[in-house]
Amino acid sequence: AQRVTQPEKLLSVFKGAPVELKCNYSYSGSPELFWYVQYSRQRLQLLLRHISRESIKGFTADLNKGETSFHLKKPFAQEEDSAMYYCALSVGGNKLVFGAGTILRVKS
Amino acid sequence: GAVVSQHPSWVICKSGTSVKIECRSLDFQATTMFWYRQFPKQSLMLMATSNEGSKATYEQGVEKDKFLINHASLTLSTLTVTSAHPEDSSFYICSARALAGGYNEQFFGPGTRLTVL
Repeated sequence: AQRVTQPEKLLSVFKGAPVELKCNYSYSGSPELFWYVQYSRQRLQLLLRHISRESIKGFTADLNKGETSFHLKKPFAQEEDSAMYYCALSVGGNKLVFGAGTILRVKS
Repeated sequence: GAVVSQHPSWVICKSGTSVKIECRSLDFQATTMFWYRQFPKQSLMLMATSNEGSKATYEQGVEKDKFLINHASLTLSTLTVTSAHPEDSSFYICSARALAGGYNEQFFGPGTRLTVL
């Protein structure tokens, strides 16, 4: 069965420190993975997708099929990065399976 | 572009009544919309996939007779919680799929908080 695991409920870092939000997946098909972000009192929005290999707001994520991981990274955290981050897996090219989410708190 | 709205943003109802939640794509047409449910401090769980002009596809464990989905137009899907009970209290979120930057993307609504007394 398809599953997305985000092991950390909360990650707290200081401003300027590197950030890595972990995501592991389980899927028998060809994975298509995403990171979504939800800022306080805002709706869920797409941060990045592995297919486009882009960097958004300084965040990057590389799909590692050997480790079945899609960790989200940023070299220098900023206070405005504080939010809830969800890793998601597209199943059958249609529906999304979400991880439990990780709250990122960036302290000044 | 690609804005999705939900109405109402919150609703309180008595046990046994039915509640309808609307999901609209404001500036694009969506043949496919999705309904999610989110419990406090938990992730989004897909309830069903709503396809315009056809029956919704429900996820395993979701009662289709309790959660009625109608997608009568390319810009509107509705979720009706029938005979609501306190355990149906939750945050319901819809999304609409659209092509963006050459990729299919889901755009999310702001959610509807349902409280059943």
